[in-house]
Amino acid sequence: QKEVEQNSGPLSVPEGAIASLNCTYSDRGSQSFFWYRQYSGKSPELIMFIYSNGDKEDGRFTAQLNKASQYVSLLIRDSQPSDSATYLCAVIEGQGAQKLVFGQGTRLTINP
Amino acid sequence: SAVISQKPSRDICQRGTSLTIQCQVDSQVTMMFWYRQQPGQSLTLIATANQGSEATYESGFVIDKFPISRPNLTFSTLTVSNMSPEDSSIYLCSVGGAETQYFGPGTRLLVL
Repeated sequence: QKEVEQNSGPLSVPEGAIASLNCTYSDRGSQSFFWYRQYSGKSPELIMFIYSNGDKEDGRFTAQLNKASQYVSLLIRDSQPSDSATYLCAVIEGQGAQKLVFGQGTRLTINP
Repeated sequence: SAVISQKPSRDICQRGTSLTIQCQVDSQVTMMFWYRQQPGQSLTLIATANQGSEATYESGFVIDKFPISRPNLTFSTLTVSNMSPEDSSIYLCSVGGAETQYFGPGTRLLVL
């Protein structure tokens, strides 16, 4: 069964530190990888997309993809209390597909 | 990014009744997706809706329970039929492709 796995947390990080969120996926044919942030009571907000091996940086966020290890991560530098949310990893599996398969999400708390 | 609106934003319904949720996008899109997020859970794809064809349902979801319409390239509806308390969830529509997928604000449904 195709799966996307995340540590559900909660993950607690002090303000200003680096928060590291991890995700593994089972389908080697997966092509596109997304990180969403979801605040309580809100819909998911796209923060990062990556499809090539290596790192992709956008402001304080860095996504890392390792297709050989079937692993994608999200680093948040200089964590702020406003980063406290649930972070969802999502994968598009297979060539030509467009539907997302989500992990269970990691709840992140940034402590002032 | 696409601007997506949903109606209603929330509703409380009696078991055995049906509710139709509307999703409106500010631009023409080929594919629209309907997701369900049960309390404390991640997102699960219900179906993919293409304009001019029948929706494609994921395992565990059937057309009789979740009929979908897609009359044009900017609009779709999802009906939750013959509701039970287990249908209490957030229902979200999304649009996008292999590199970007955006979500509407969601419809919070409580079935009594």
